Amino acid sequence: NAGVTQTPKFQVLKTGQSMTLQCAQDMNHEYMSWYRQDPGMGLRLIHYSVGAGITDQGEVPNGYNVSRSTTEDFPLRLLSAAPSQTSVYFCASSPGGGETQYFGPGTRLLVL
Amino acid sequence: SQKIEQNSEALNIQEGKTATLTCNYTNYSPAYLQWYRQDPGRGPVFLLLIRENEKEKRKERLKVTFDTTLKQSLFHITASQPADSATYLCAPHNYGQNFVFGPGTRLSVLP
Repeated sequence: NAGVTQTPKFQVLKTGQSMTLQCAQDMNHEYMSWYRQDPGMGLRLIHYSVGAGITDQGEVPNGYNVSRSTTEDFPLRLLSAAPSQTSVYFCASSPGGGETQYFGPGTRLLVL
Repeated sequence: SQKIEQNSEALNIQEGKTATLTCNYTNYSPAYLQWYRQDPGRGPVFLLLIRENEKEKRKERLKVTFDTTLKQSLFHITASQPADSATYLCAPHNYGQNFVFGPGTRLSVLP
């Protein structure tokens, strides 16, 4: 099993550009989530999904969209990138909410 | 709102000593508490889970305690090694709820 995979590993954007961060898992987990990690702030939940077709907002959802059309994939879309979105983004999956989470390797995003 | 504090941003200890990391939480009552390890440039990796009715949990050189009265968990690494150097995150939670992670403690084990 590959576990949780994320692409790209690193991305540079200009302010106002849009992009999609990809996340996929092959463990048949129902629960998937996106976090951002900033120095001194720890991991903060952006959006999460409890199953295909169901998504909800986390602590810091503004500027991000998600969808969950399949159990395996959970892409994160930045609609109009801002420098404040410079961060490291982690996708995670778990069998259910509140259970052990399995994290991807992260995407480092720099918005100029 | 929920608040999680971890004892210090960074902790330096000598190889062979026991490292003790602290996780304190306020404004909620978790039934579980998890600890994760994060190496630079990588995603967090699950280490241990302890339930509210378990006072202590061990796994090899790791030991976790969970005091629901003090609202605190202690994470111990005995006979520490340079390879234990990493950031350690705690996550008190309840089943079915979203995770809230602590800010982490960066542990450096000096040879």
